[in-house]
Amino acid sequence: NAGVTQTPKFQVLKTGQSMTLQCAQDMNHEYMSWYRQDPGMGLRLIHYSVGAGITDQGEVPNGYNVSRSTTEDFPLRLLSAAPSQTSVYFCASSYSRSYNYGYTFGSGTRLTVV
Amino acid sequence: QQQVKQSPQSLIVQKGGISIINCAYENTAFDYFPWYQQFPGKGPALLIAIRPDVSEKKEGRFTISFNKSAKQFSLHIMDSQPGDSATYFCAAGSLSGGYNKLIFGAGTRLAVHP
Repeated sequence: NAGVTQTPKFQVLKTGQSMTLQCAQDMNHEYMSWYRQDPGMGLRLIHYSVGAGITDQGEVPNGYNVSRSTTEDFPLRLLSAAPSQTSVYFCASSYSRSYNYGYTFGSGTRLTVV
Repeated sequence: QQQVKQSPQSLIVQKGGISIINCAYENTAFDYFPWYQQFPGKGPALLIAIRPDVSEKKEGRFTISFNKSAKQFSLHIMDSQPGDSATYFCAAGSLSGGYNKLIFGAGTRLAVHP
C-alpha cells in the first residue's frame, strides 16, 4: 500500500517549457487535489477532483490544467512555466463525503523555473 | 484574501513548555477544522480535527480549542518535546457540494529547544 505517490521529486524547468507532475493513489479515494506551498503563504489549492471525469478550480488555478481519467491518477500540467510557478507541489487524496478521514498527502515535487 | 488566518508565523518553545497556535476564519459555512503537522521534506499529515459542535478536543498532548462565536480555533501542545519541532497548518472545510475541500492557513514553524 503505497498511499499517494508523486513524481518527480525535483524538477528544473526553463521559462516557457511545459511539463506534467504525476500523482497516483492506491487507496480508492474519490477526492484528489493539488496544492502549492510557498513560504508565508501556506498551502493553496490549485485544482481538485471529486471523481473520475470531474474536476474544478481551486484558489490559484491559472497556468495549470488537470484531468482525471481514472480514480487512481490525477496529473497536473504546467502549460508554459513561469518563475512565479517555482514552488513545492503536493497532491492529496481522501474519501470525499466524510470528515472521518483526513487528507493523505504525497511527499511533494519541488519545482524550480529559471 | 486569506480565508484562514494563522498566527504566529514562527514559535520557539522550551522543552516541557506549552505551544499555542491560533487561527481565525470568516466563512460561517466552514464546519470542520483540522490541524496538520509537516516535517521537513515530507507532506503534511493529519494531527487532530474538531467539529464546531464541541468546544474542545484532546488527543494525548494535543488539544484543539474552538470558539464558534469568535470564529477562532487554536492548537495547544502540552509538554512540548524537540520531536514536535515541525510546521503546523490549521485548515477549514465544509461538506457543502458533497465533498470536503480544505482551505489552509499560512503555517507556523515550531522549534522546541531542549
